[in-house]
Amino acid sequence: EAQVTQNPRYLITVTGKKLTVTCSQNMNHEYMSWYRQDPGLGLRQIYYSMNVEVTDKGDVPEGYKVSRKEKRNFPLILESPSPNQTSLYFCASSSLASRGLRGSTDTQYFGPGTRLTVL
Amino acid sequence: AQKITQTQPGMFVQEKEAVTLDCTYDTSDPSYGLFWYKQPSSGEMIFLIYQGSYDQQNATEGRYSLNFQKARKSANLVISASQLGDSAMYFCAMREMGTGRRALTFGSGTRLQVQP
Repeated sequence: EAQVTQNPRYLITVTGKKLTVTCSQNMNHEYMSWYRQDPGLGLRQIYYSMNVEVTDKGDVPEGYKVSRKEKRNFPLILESPSPNQTSLYFCASSSLASRGLRGSTDTQYFGPGTRLTVL
Repeated sequence: AQKITQTQPGMFVQEKEAVTLDCTYDTSDPSYGLFWYKQPSSGEMIFLIYQGSYDQQNATEGRYSLNFQKARKSANLVISASQLGDSAMYFCAMREMGTGRRALTFGSGTRLQVQP
């Protein structure tokens, strides 16, 4: 089954304790991205990657790191989490292939989300 | 200025009836894509339907159709024959093709409740 997986799904941690949220996709997608969702602010892009070893900042990158050593994985790293990083996090992936005959092949498919609470 | 506007914070619909969720957008990029996602109470984001700015026909996917009016910059989602399982938050999103980072810009969402 084609999917994007994230782990953990829920995490409660304390300020300053480094954590990693993993993201993996099995669709051979080149593009991967992280978003956070906050009430009243909607979903905002944190970081994205166009391919292996190619990453760049989104709208709200402060306090986050990412890496893309393999095509299927795109972990999100919080080196020193703070309470304002409490949020619902989504990983997404899409193909960079040219558009097919019908519809778009660059639709972003989302993982199930990770609900993070930083105390 | 808001790039994606969803003016209906909440909507009610009777089971088996059709419902239209509104979305207007703002962009100067001639090439863009419009998406609708569903977010049930469990939290995941489920892709529903896509419309490209150059598409001549309105997109359809099963019970979902997108009423695309380019001149009005609107991309309303129509759900036909509503089911109880359609109760969820619905987000309209846009991707401007001119930006390299391919970020989706989301609206604030519409909470749809289907009543039996």
